[in-house]
Amino acid sequence: DTAVSQTPKYLVTQMGNDKSIKCEQNLGHDTMYWYKQDSKKFLKIMFSYNNKELIINETVPNRFSPKSPDKAHLNLHINSLELGDSAVYFCASSHLSGDPRSGNTIYFGEGSWLTVV
Amino acid sequence: GQNIDQPTEMTATEGAIVQINCTYQTSGFNGLFWYQQHAGEAPTFLSYNVLDGLEEKGRFSSFLSRSKGYSYLLLKELQMKDSASYLCAVRAGGGNKLTFGTGTQLKVEL
Repeated sequence: DTAVSQTPKYLVTQMGNDKSIKCEQNLGHDTMYWYKQDSKKFLKIMFSYNNKELIINETVPNRFSPKSPDKAHLNLHINSLELGDSAVYFCASSHLSGDPRSGNTIYFGEGSWLTVV
Repeated sequence: GQNIDQPTEMTATEGAIVQINCTYQTSGFNGLFWYQQHAGEAPTFLSYNVLDGLEEKGRFSSFLSRSKGYSYLLLKELQMKDSASYLCAVRAGGGNKLTFGTGTQLKVEL
């Protein structure tokens, strides 16, 4: 199936641990994103990569480090996890430009539910 | 910065029509998107407007007025499965960065 897929879907871990979430897309897009959705369901962008280059870097603690080995993959590594990091993390992808009919629509993965205890 | 407002909750009856409004304040406006999100699932794309006017896709339509900073999503012939959160998102400037509103939780009742 063509999609944005991310793993793991659920992750429960202790404070202070380091964890990674992996994301892959086979939609042929050149841009990938990480969004965070908090307990109040507010969806906020964290990072965006275009062809492996960081283009959006919001005000995110430097404990969060994205890595894009190629344009189809964007992983998120989180160091020294804190209780406040508990959220749903959505990977997404799109064309950056050149697709005016669809508006370069962003497509989301299924989400990774991170719980820090 | 950007400011996006939409109602927190709405309730409507199966078979009816509901309009979900979204107002925004931004500079460098470059498109407005509506997404649907069921509980525990990913946001899924519904519609896109960049020019003023109405875009229709089956039971869903979306309207944009750039001069008023206003959009609405119109859902016709409501079905129970339409119960979900509806997210308004604005793109401004470059980088295809979307800023989302807090979402409108729609409950469809019998």
